Amino acid sequence: ETGVTQSPTHLIKTRGQQVTLRCSSQSGHNTVSWYQQALGQGPQFIFQYYREEENGRGNFPPRFSGLQFPNYSSELNVNALELDDSALYLCASSKTTGPGETQYFGPGTRLLVL
Amino acid sequence: GQNIDQPTEMTATEGAIVQINCTYQTSGFNGLFWYQQHAGEAPTFLSYNVLDGLEEKGRFSSFLSRSKGYSYLLLKELQMKDSASYLCAVRKNAGNMLTFGGGTRLMVKP
Repeated sequence: ETGVTQSPTHLIKTRGQQVTLRCSSQSGHNTVSWYQQALGQGPQFIFQYYREEENGRGNFPPRFSGLQFPNYSSELNVNALELDDSALYLCASSKTTGPGETQYFGPGTRLLVL
Repeated sequence: GQNIDQPTEMTATEGAIVQINCTYQTSGFNGLFWYQQHAGEAPTFLSYNVLDGLEEKGRFSSFLSRSKGYSYLLLKELQMKDSASYLCAVRKNAGNMLTFGGGTRLMVKP
């Protein structure tokens, strides 16, 4: 157990809908990163939040957006869902953004878009 | 961009030793991580290398050669519970975002 929690665990949506996924970081961690993992592939970096500000973004369209709150928990929002958005969404927290900081992953939210 | 390559699948026997290789091409390299991921679960941290050489942690060891863009994860005394995917991830200088390889699915047989 890493102390990183995510909700919900599973979600089914239809194409065009919007979804919000939530993550609570490990105590003492101020940085949250979000990843998308398609079946049989490695995780792909979506974006990172550090002290409530976006601190880097991967190659994902603007319909993927996020927030980080003062308690360092975070949300991932996806608008206009597409079938290819079906994946496991992982959040990972770390103490800071500095070198050597390990990211600890939550259990993920499995999203199915029909 | 970054290219990270790992074998897709490997099979080994319980009690044996297995080496999972990872090669990468990136500018601004700032560390390499190995994670273990059991089916349907979150990745769990195994090891971190930023300097050349071998890091040993119990049955698991990880090696890095920055000049060759190469790392390996060595698993000794394999157990059935080691059947999982092993993910190699590289961090660049800016921030601590990770770029993952596709993962190596290891199957341990009796």
